[in-house]
Amino acid sequence: KQEVTQIPAALSVPEGENLVLNCSFTDSAIYNLQWFRQDPGKGLTSLLLIQSSQREQTSGRLNASLDKSSGRSTLYIAASQPGDSATYLCAVLRDSSYKLIFGSGTRLLVRP
Amino acid sequence: EAQVTQNPRYLITVTGKKLTVTCSQNMNHEYMSWYRQDPGLGLRQIYYSMNVEVTDKGDVPEGYKVSRKEKRNFPLILESPSPNQTSLYFCASSHKTATGISYEQYFGPGTRLTVT
Repeated sequence: KQEVTQIPAALSVPEGENLVLNCSFTDSAIYNLQWFRQDPGKGLTSLLLIQSSQREQTSGRLNASLDKSSGRSTLYIAASQPGDSATYLCAVLRDSSYKLIFGSGTRLLVRP
Repeated sequence: EAQVTQNPRYLITVTGKKLTVTCSQNMNHEYMSWYRQDPGLGLRQIYYSMNVEVTDKGDVPEGYKVSRKEKRNFPLILESPSPNQTSLYFCASSHKTATGISYEQYFGPGTRLTVT
């Protein structure tokens, strides 16, 4: 059974710091991995999608990497800003059944 | 604007009173899905649909029904709601790209349901 874990559960950093969020999964047979952002009481915004054949994806200050063999993905946020404060979720698509398996999220606070 | 919409956004109801939460997407996506989000349990899939008239159970389907009569709509039906269905519900849609499988999922804004 696929399980997705995110560490740490919460993170507080000063503005400007570079930071890394971690996501691990138990079954390496995945189609893709997606990182989302969720603001309190709001929906999920897709940040980056990495296909199983890819190693990384970049969008602006965000960079996500994928290492299937070790069952790990990282989300790197450069020069963090208070507006980055949110919960970050990773999710893996394990097969063509279209079911995403979510981690429990990392709650990020960027202090001004 | 490409989007997934849900209605209502907030709903308070009583045990046993049938309700429907609507979901609509304007991106011509084949795949649609419902999730619920609960503190400590994260997001879990309720039902999904691969295309019109094709639906299947996710991880927590008990107490829910769905239908997919049109490509753009995927309503979630609670025939007899109970307090343990109090949750934040999300609808999502996805597609295959022309170059291969993408399955990037787009989420609606959520429906907060309280059953008393």
